[in-house]
Amino acid sequence: GEDVEQSLFLSVREGDSSVINCTYTDSSSTYLYWYKQEPGAGLQLLTYIFSNMDMKQDQRLTVLLNKKDKHLSLRIADTQTGDSAIYFCAESTFRGKNTDKLIFGTGTRLQVFP
Amino acid sequence: KAGVTQTPRYLIKTRGQQVTLSCSPISGHRSVSWYQQTPGQGLQFLFEYFSETQRNKGNFPGRFSGRQFSNSRSEMNVSTLELGDSALYLCASSTANEQFFGPGTRLTVL
Repeated sequence: GEDVEQSLFLSVREGDSSVINCTYTDSSSTYLYWYKQEPGAGLQLLTYIFSNMDMKQDQRLTVLLNKKDKHLSLRIADTQTGDSAIYFCAESTFRGKNTDKLIFGTGTRLQVFP
Repeated sequence: KAGVTQTPRYLIKTRGQQVTLSCSPISGHRSVSWYQQTPGQGLQFLFEYFSETQRNKGNFPGRFSGRQFSNSRSEMNVSTLELGDSALYLCASSTANEQFFGPGTRLTVL
């Protein structure tokens, strides 16, 4: 079945790097996503990676994908207090001309302290 | 481009009532999906509409329904509300491989 797991909490010091991890079970996953949710807000799409890629970098964000182990990580360089939020990993398969529904992890609450 | 908009942002209802939530997708997006977010169950897929047709459905009872109009705007309806329906309801509009979410409607059932 489809399942996505994440650790619940991560606490880092401002200026350090944060690494948020995610594992998934569906081997047919085509796209893997990272979303950010701030208190009282919806989900903000941060980045995504296609399953035939190993790595994707976008400014302070680096996504690593180990398809063999079904492991995805999000690294945030130079973490700032504004990065404090809940981060969700999600996976989807490609169906027809669009992706299928998103299957979300439980979310990792990132707390950045000065 | 304007983002995904959802109305209302907050809603309080009592058990047994029904509720309709609205979502306007990003201009040009034809696919709209709905998700329910609760502390206990997390984010769960409700259904997806594309060109006015329901294309995919999650594991929710028939009390949850939706529709999409010719301008791609979508509504979801929950009938006979239960306390457990209290949640943040999120709408997403999508292109081929990106889903963009609205701010959500927070529904409280008393």
